[in-house]
Amino acid sequence: QLQLQESGPGLVKPSQTLSLTCTVSGGSISDGGNYWSWIRQHPGKGLEWIGFIYDSGDTHYNPSLKSRATISTDTSKNQFSLKLTSVIAADTAVYYCARDKAKRYCTGGRCYDPPGFGFDPWGRGTLVTVSS
Amino acid sequence: SYELTQPPSVSVSPGQMARITCSGDELPRQYAYWYQQKPGQAPLLVIYKDTERPSGIPERFSGSSSGTTVTLTINGVQAEDEADYYCQSADTNATHLEVIFGGGTRLTVL
Repeated sequence: QLQLQESGPGLVKPSQTLSLTCTVSGGSISDGGNYWSWIRQHPGKGLEWIGFIYDSGDTHYNPSLKSRATISTDTSKNQFSLKLTSVIAADTAVYYCARDKAKRYCTGGRCYDPPGFGFDPWGRGTLVTVSS
Repeated sequence: SYELTQPPSVSVSPGQMARITCSGDELPRQYAYWYQQKPGQAPLLVIYKDTERPSGIPERFSGSSSGTTVTLTINGVQAEDEADYYCQSADTNATHLEVIFGGGTRLTVL
């Protein structure tokens, strides 16, 4: 079955770039119909969606991150990655990678593939602390 | 975008029914999803597309939808169901796609 595992530095200095990788096993990141996603959780708080990348390379991000986030895939390594620039202490969180699947629907002669099955599975999460 | 509103906490006795609500203006047009998160663990999908239950999730978990409110119901609550529960939905149009989470509900089994 599909499994995801986050990796990356646990400590990042303010103003630097946070870089995390999610390794996919039990399936191929090249398989169609998947939204490869990053979600974070501030200590003791709720879940915050960061963004995701679809098969086509299309990306969508949380507007609140103000263009600081970039998600990409590396099919040769079966991985996808998150880069978050200009980090501040408020970016301290547990970062999760997760997968959603597309659900195709067609209307007006066009077809769409939005995410539609929920985030499943999730990685175990990795704590990233932003501190000097 | 819009907000998803959940009660901060719900308490029930073992064997009773627990209902956790989630309200949002777009819920009549967007599916809702529910996640269970126990301390120190990643969230686990327990309901998708308002009412569907993933394989491996106990039958006591069910979802329903009415207007701008979706509800997660746990029948015959067990001690192991004590956790935080999050609803999730989306805000979409032709060019915009955003995922939204509710603030979470702490379920306490008395």
